[in-house]
Amino acid sequence: NAGVTQTPKFRVLKTGQSMTLLCAQDMNHEYMYWYRQDPGMGLRLIHYSVGEGTTAKGEVPDGYNVSRLKKQNFLLGLESAAPSQTSVYFCASEGVHGELFFGEGSRLTVL
Amino acid sequence: QQPVQSPQAVILREGEDAVINCSSSKALYSVHWYRQKHGEAPVFLMILLKGGEQKGHEKISASFNEKKQQSSLYLTASQLSYSGTYFCGTPDNYGQNFVFGPGTRLSVLP
Repeated sequence: NAGVTQTPKFRVLKTGQSMTLLCAQDMNHEYMYWYRQDPGMGLRLIHYSVGEGTTAKGEVPDGYNVSRLKKQNFLLGLESAAPSQTSVYFCASEGVHGELFFGEGSRLTVL
Repeated sequence: QQPVQSPQAVILREGEDAVINCSSSKALYSVHWYRQKHGEAPVFLMILLKGGEQKGHEKISASFNEKKQQSSLYLTASQLSYSGTYFCGTPDNYGQNFVFGPGTRLSVLP
């Protein structure tokens, strides 16, 4: 039972490049979330999904897109990366009692 | 809208107590507490689902005052392992759109 797995764990991009972060959970959870974490800013919600095929915007959605084609996967895409998107990204899925299970994080640097 | 946390940071000696507060300008339907150690993912501590509820996890407990739209986390007889950043979080009234406070950094010294 792997829980929540994020790939890749580290990535360096140049401004304007695109990439996709993958979040996979094996707990059959409906709700999934993508957060970014910057020093002194806590965890800010980018997008979330309440089930397969559905997504919604969070606090800071600009510059990101998401897809939830399969229940177990939640993808976060950056179409044209900017230095302001340098951050640590966390994915989470919500358990039956409402608790969030987090992945280990993906550290992204945009040069 | 993000919950507000206070204090931003606290330094303790082992065995001392601390209180971390979380409040919101909007109605709170439930409050979660998480702890994050440096370089790691946040880890769930507890959920408070209704006003007046109090819970405990080892020597860490929490209360939830629904009317005042606030929650407090109590750490008693702190241990070195309690060091980390504590976040409160709350969903909207549909149980979605889960947002966190900015965090409180707790340092426990020997």
